[in-house]
Amino acid sequence: DAGVTQSPTHLIKTRGQQVTLRCSPKSGHDTVSWYQQALGQGPQFIFQYYEEEERQRGNFPDRFSGHQFPNYSSELNVNALLLGDSALYLCASSLWGDEQFFGPGTRLTVL
Amino acid sequence: EDQVTQSPEALRLQEGESSSLNCSYTVSGLRGLFWYRQDPGKGPEFLFTLYSAGEEKEKERLKATLTKKESFLHITAPKPEDSATYLCAVQGDNAGNMLTFGGGTRLMVKP
Repeated sequence: DAGVTQSPTHLIKTRGQQVTLRCSPKSGHDTVSWYQQALGQGPQFIFQYYEEEERQRGNFPDRFSGHQFPNYSSELNVNALLLGDSALYLCASSLWGDEQFFGPGTRLTVL
Repeated sequence: EDQVTQSPEALRLQEGESSSLNCSYTVSGLRGLFWYRQDPGKGPEFLFTLYSAGEEKEKERLKATLTKKESFLHITAPKPEDSATYLCAVQGDNAGNMLTFGGGTRLMVKP
């Protein structure tokens, strides 16, 4: 049984560019959450998708947007990249309200 | 606003030297407290969920306990392979399904 998968593994972008990160949830899960983890810190909640709608959002600007597809996979888009957006981006999947299982993450570096 | 504080930030143990990690939390109403293990550059790996004060859960050398204000992760006779960052997160009544994480405790076990 495949767990949560994310792509790409690593990404290097320059300031002002746009980036799209992808996540496939664990088999049987219907909810995808995205987190940002800066070096040496705990993950911070960005938003959560369920039934193809954004259900909850953390304290992140509108530059961060997302989408969930009918097969439950999800994308995170970040526009107008800033140096401070450099972080490990984590996707977590769950059944609605249950324990969240994390993927390996995408390491984004903004130069 | 839910808050989580973990201590110590870093802990060095000799192999076989038991110890405990602390997670103090503030929530309006606790729906669940979660422990994760994270290896460098990887996503968090789910360990335990605790729901109510007095609850305990065990897995190999790890035991998690919960009170109304804090949780402890006890590590008995640790081995070098237990070296990792241990993250604590809470899910509060007013927070929907989002997880609020602490900063983590970086555990190093020397042989």
